[in-house]
Amino acid sequence: DAMVIQNPRYQVTQFGKPVTLSCSQTLNHNVMYWYQQKSSQAPKLLFHYYDKDFNNEADTPDNFQSRRPNTSFCFLDIRSPGLGDAAMYLCATSRGSGSGTDTQYFGPGTRLTVL
Amino acid sequence: AQSVAQPEDQVNVAEGNPLTVKCTYSVSGNPYLFWYVQYPNRGLQFLLKYITGDNLVKGSYGFEAEFNKSQTSFHLKKPSALVSDSALYFCAVRDFLLFGTDKLIFGTGTRLQVFP
Repeated sequence: DAMVIQNPRYQVTQFGKPVTLSCSQTLNHNVMYWYQQKSSQAPKLLFHYYDKDFNNEADTPDNFQSRRPNTSFCFLDIRSPGLGDAAMYLCATSRGSGSGTDTQYFGPGTRLTVL
Repeated sequence: AQSVAQPEDQVNVAEGNPLTVKCTYSVSGNPYLFWYVQYPNRGLQFLLKYITGDNLVKGSYGFEAEFNKSQTSFHLKKPSALVSDSALYFCAVRDFLLFGTDKLIFGTGTRLQVFP
């Protein structure tokens, strides 16, 4: 059974045209993360939510925004995609227990192409 | 700052032979270490983690990892490789953020190629 679901799996957009990627989870986890992964590089954290509290990484461009309307769903909005934003976008969740032992579970990713 | 290093971009091994994918870490405090695997055009799948306790950690799909504090290493191993193990492997270390949250700092990845 899928636990972290991302839609769509592949997204093509035009340069400058806003795009939204979605993530949902059936784990009831408190924390949801968005990572960007370029061309077989290491995933890089963009931001995360602990419940409704939003936390941005210092070097995440303003072009990237996120929304979490409820526990299950989280969205990544790219306001004006550039060619450099073409990447795999990975959503992940964790319990957020505060114990330090939580595992992050990843979705299958959305591969974004910018034309 | 927490970091991990994967010194090999690619590891080649024959099917049936043992495999090792190397990872070294640099942390302040106790290391919380993870291994993930990524198949083409897929997300990351959790294999195993070291938090505390036994230095030999057993994980999914027959993989295990050995934590070595003196060598600051956390190498991934499997006694007998399968062609289906061919994938990209990431080592990661936990970096604590706010209460209840943290982030993973990933290594650059090692591509494992298992030949029939």
